Parts: sequence; structure tokens; C-alpha cells
Amino acid sequence: KNQVEQSPQSLIILEGKNCTLQCNYTVSPFSNLRWYKQDTGRGPVSLTIMTFSENTKSNGRYTATLDADTKQSSLHITASQLSDSASYICVVSVRGNTPLVFGKGTRLSVIA
Amino acid sequence: EAGVTQFPSHSVIEKGQTVTLRCDPISGHDNLYWYRRVMGKEIKFLLHFVKESKQDESGMPNNRFLAERTGGTYSTLKVQPAELEDSGVYFCASSRTGAGYGYTFGSGTRLTVV
Repeated sequence: KNQVEQSPQSLIILEGKNCTLQCNYTVSPFSNLRWYKQDTGRGPVSLTIMTFSENTKSNGRYTATLDADTKQSSLHITASQLSDSASYICVVSVRGNTPLVFGKGTRLSVIA
Repeated sequence: EAGVTQFPSHSVIEKGQTVTLRCDPISGHDNLYWYRRVMGKEIKFLLHFVKESKQDESGMPNNRFLAERTGGTYSTLKVQPAELEDSGVYFCASSRTGAGYGYTFGSGTRLTVV
């Protein structure tokens, strides 16, 4: 069964600190992995997208890594800001199949 | 470029009533998707349109749900009759055709069935 598991479920950090969110997946055959940021009351917004051959991709203070062998990904946020408070969702695409497979997300709260 | 627009943003209806959700994709995006997030669960796929044709509707929960995309532009998702378990946030997304194109999501419609 295609599944995406994320940890932690929620996280609280102080403004300015770094954090790392984890994603494990059992999707096969793998096409690509995406990280989305979802603010409350809004739709998911894409942060990064990585294919099988990519190990890391950055988008400003966000850096995603992918280990296709162990089927793990991480999202590292550097120098967190209050506006980073949101749900971060790991999404995996199955090759040859349309539906994206979503994780439940990690709820990040950045406090002053 | 205007984003994906969904209407209404919120809807509260009684069990047994009918509700129609609308999605306007980004102009030129042939692919339109409906997804749903039920409380406490992950976002799950409902169906996929390519232009006006249903490419994949394997995620539709039952025949109380009817999606249309007449003319290949906007799409509607009708729930009739609504049940309590239909409550959740319904997201629409669109994309261009081709590998590597990202999805753009709308802000969603929060449906509450009471």
C-alpha cells in the first residue's frame, strides 16, 4: 500500500532556530517527492520537488533532502521566522499514476 | 497569473441536502484535480480531469458525488444527498500537461454537514 509517514506530528521552536522535519514513504514505483507548506485556511503551496536522481534541493531557507534507497526525505528550515508557522506536507508521486500520495503533515509553530 | 479559485470558501448544510462546490483552474491548465481532507486524516485524491474528460475517478467515495467539467474550463463537485462523513476540506488543483509541472492548489472549500 502506498503510504507517506511524517514526523514529528507537531513541533514548537523559537524564532531564529533551525528545525528538521522527516518523511518516510513506501510509494512504488516512485516518481518524485514534493514538500508543501500549508497555512491555515489556505491550500498547499509547493516548496520543493525532487526526482529520483536528486539528493538535495533548496528554496531560500528551506532545504529538502531525498534518499531514494532508504525512501526517506527531510525538510530543513534555517533561521525560522514567525511566518514559517504552518503545516508542512510531504507528498509523493507514483510513476505512471495520477494521484499524489499525501502525508498527514507536521504542524510547525514558531514562537517569539 | 490568477491562481486556482474555489467557491464557496465555507459551506454548512444539513444532512440530506445538496451542495455544489466550484473550482476555476488556472487558464491553460488542462489537468484539474479534486482532493479532500477529512478531519485528522491526510489529503486524499478524488478524481482527475484532463480537459473535459474524467481521466481517473478512482478516489470518488460513492455515487453521491458527481463531478463535471463541461467545456474543459471550470469544474463542479456536487454532493447529493450529503452525509455527516462528507464533512471536510475539498481542494482543487490544476496543472499543465507534462512531467515536472507542479500542481497549484486552491484555498479549498470547508464543508460541514450537520
